Amino acid sequence: GAGVSQSPSNKVTEKGKDVELRCDPISGHTALYWYRQSLGQGLEFLIYFQGNSAPDKSGLPSDRFSAERTGGSVSTLTIQRTQQEDSAVYLCASSPSLYEQYFGPGTRLTVT
Amino acid sequence: AQSVTQPDIHITVSEGASLELRCNYSYGATPYLFWYVQSPGQGLQLLLKYFSGDTLVQGIKGFEAEFKRSQSSFNLRKPSVHWSDAAEYFCAVGGPMKTSYDKVIFGPGTSLSVIP
Repeated sequence: GAGVSQSPSNKVTEKGKDVELRCDPISGHTALYWYRQSLGQGLEFLIYFQGNSAPDKSGLPSDRFSAERTGGSVSTLTIQRTQQEDSAVYLCASSPSLYEQYFGPGTRLTVT
Repeated sequence: AQSVTQPDIHITVSEGASLELRCNYSYGATPYLFWYVQSPGQGLQLLLKYFSGDTLVQGIKGFEAEFKRSQSSFNLRKPSVHWSDAAEYFCAVGGPMKTSYDKVIFGPGTSLSVIP
């Protein structure tokens, strides 16, 4: 079956511009996670959606970052007024239950 | 506090040699444990998982891991490494907590290089 997809695969933007990153989870998965991975680093948790519950936003690094999940499926991560330190790979994962996550290929964001 | 430690930042092994990647965790509830692999330029792929039962779990690509509760460890092993195993390996822990959402905590990763 189809896995987690993310778009775009690569995004180059100028400092100060807004960007939107999209994640299409596996159909039927109730949980969705966003992570950030900087070059040579581990995974930094950003935000977590579970069903109709309020999202866990505790990992968002600043108020320039926001995310939504429409209809319990597709999710969009928005970064406003991008900064060079936002350059990273943004990974999305979905999960059917019990914390087992299926990852997308990621979006590589470069802020120039 | 919940945490995952992978003591080895980088490991180099010869092709055909055995491999063990270490993982230690601290978790305030029954842990669910995972190993993921990330090949260059790719997302993470689940290698294996432990929820309960037999403490030795088998995964894909010939990997196995052993849960040792007394040592708070979940080390990953492979008897004979292939050149294609060169990648970044992440250990992760999660599990139902009464006071927080269902987070999964990832370790910092171990980079594996394989010498032909």
